[in-house]
Amino acid sequence: DVKVTQSSRYLVKRTGEKVFLECVQDMDHENMFWYRQDPGLGLRLIYFSYDVKMKEKGDIPEGYSVSREKKERFSLILESASTNQTSMYLCASSLLAGGYEQYFGPGTRLTVT
Amino acid sequence: TQLLEQSPQFLSIQEGENLTVYCNSSSVFSSLQWYRQEPGEGPVLLVTVVTGGEVKKLKRLTFQFGDARKDSSLHITAAQPGDTGLYLCAGAPGNQFYFGTGTSLTVIP
Repeated sequence: DVKVTQSSRYLVKRTGEKVFLECVQDMDHENMFWYRQDPGLGLRLIYFSYDVKMKEKGDIPEGYSVSREKKERFSLILESASTNQTSMYLCASSLLAGGYEQYFGPGTRLTVT
Repeated sequence: TQLLEQSPQFLSIQEGENLTVYCNSSSVFSSLQWYRQEPGEGPVLLVTVVTGGEVKKLKRLTFQFGDARKDSSLHITAAQPGDTGLYLCAGAPGNQFYFGTGTSLTVIP
């Protein structure tokens, strides 16, 4: 079975903290993605990666960075968390280029206070 | 402006009823996908439609890709409470991949 895991289901952080969200996939997929999901705004792409050590900005990269040191792991970093980064964060991976047929993790609900 | 507009945004129906959800765009897609997201979970891929006019069935769910490959529909027959969730269409008209705005379905027992 295909599996994408995320390090935490729920996380509460304070404004200004550095936050790490980890994502691991066991399908040997080249492509990995980070999204945030907010009511009324849908899924918005933050960053994606098509290969190890490679990253590309999505639609809303401001305030975020990513790291992909190994093929199976893609980390999202909030350098200095702010309250407007309170959201559901979803990681996904795909075998196909272009984002087709993505497999998602369960999500991390992050609250920044 | 969203590239993929879904309607309706919210839908609440009784168990056993039929429903249709729409996904529309002004762009042409090589394929469209449908995902379902249950509360508190990530989206799960249901189907990919590739050919204009294509119809795919998944048990009580019927997916159709428009002839011009700009739109798609999802029809559920005899909805059950287990169908409750957020339905998302998705695709890439060019190099970037987009998700639709979503339809939140609640099936009341």
